[in-house]
Amino acid sequence: LAKTTQPISMDSYEGQEVNITCSHNNIATNDYITWYQQFPSQGPRFIIQGYKTKVTNEVASLFIPADRKSSTLSLPRVSLSDTAVYYCLVGGAAAGNKLTFGGGTRVLVKP
Amino acid sequence: NAGVTQTPKFQVLKTGQSMTLQCAQDMNHNSMYWYRQDPGMGLRLIYYSASEGTTDKGEVPNGYNVSRLNKREFSLRLESAAPSQTSVYFCASSEFGSLNTEAFFGQGTRLTVV
Repeated sequence: LAKTTQPISMDSYEGQEVNITCSHNNIATNDYITWYQQFPSQGPRFIIQGYKTKVTNEVASLFIPADRKSSTLSLPRVSLSDTAVYYCLVGGAAAGNKLTFGGGTRVLVKP
Repeated sequence: NAGVTQTPKFQVLKTGQSMTLQCAQDMNHNSMYWYRQDPGMGLRLIYYSASEGTTDKGEVPNGYNVSRLNKREFSLRLESAAPSQTSVYFCASSEFGSLNTEAFFGQGTRLTVV
């Protein structure tokens, strides 16, 4: 699996947009980029997944440049309930079934 | 749909005791995983099972054993618990064979070894 690097923590305020960038310089051709969110005392949950360009769902947007060596998770107009740890994963079927997480980015949303 | 169910939710063990953490999924997924999460840290993969009948070591397998009992169930055993194994344990499942790598997680088992 491609190694990922993301900031350890970020602070924001309610109503702001939060952007978390993940670096994955050795991403493979068949790899997808997936983001998970984890609240305290809960297991991670899937947020969004993409391969290239931009993907948007009801929760977030994922921006992937043409070289795919990085990706940015965008959370629009965050609220206090978006305080969580966000993990960036890179891999896919070609990487086998080993699903590994890095340290994640701890996002704190302040009132 | 229950998703991924872990039992027990909480457990306190004495050093040297053994126990088995149970995990079951009802989504007909091929792949299942066991993770541990220490306070303030990310998830570390202990063991995983790509499909029924196969298991492989993850990042931190020492002190653990697993059994893929059938497609639904994947158990994690601590043969001789140590205080360093105090952690929250998460089980997850996913479907591979496609490029969709979404994994579904259980609610976790909080284990304390004294």
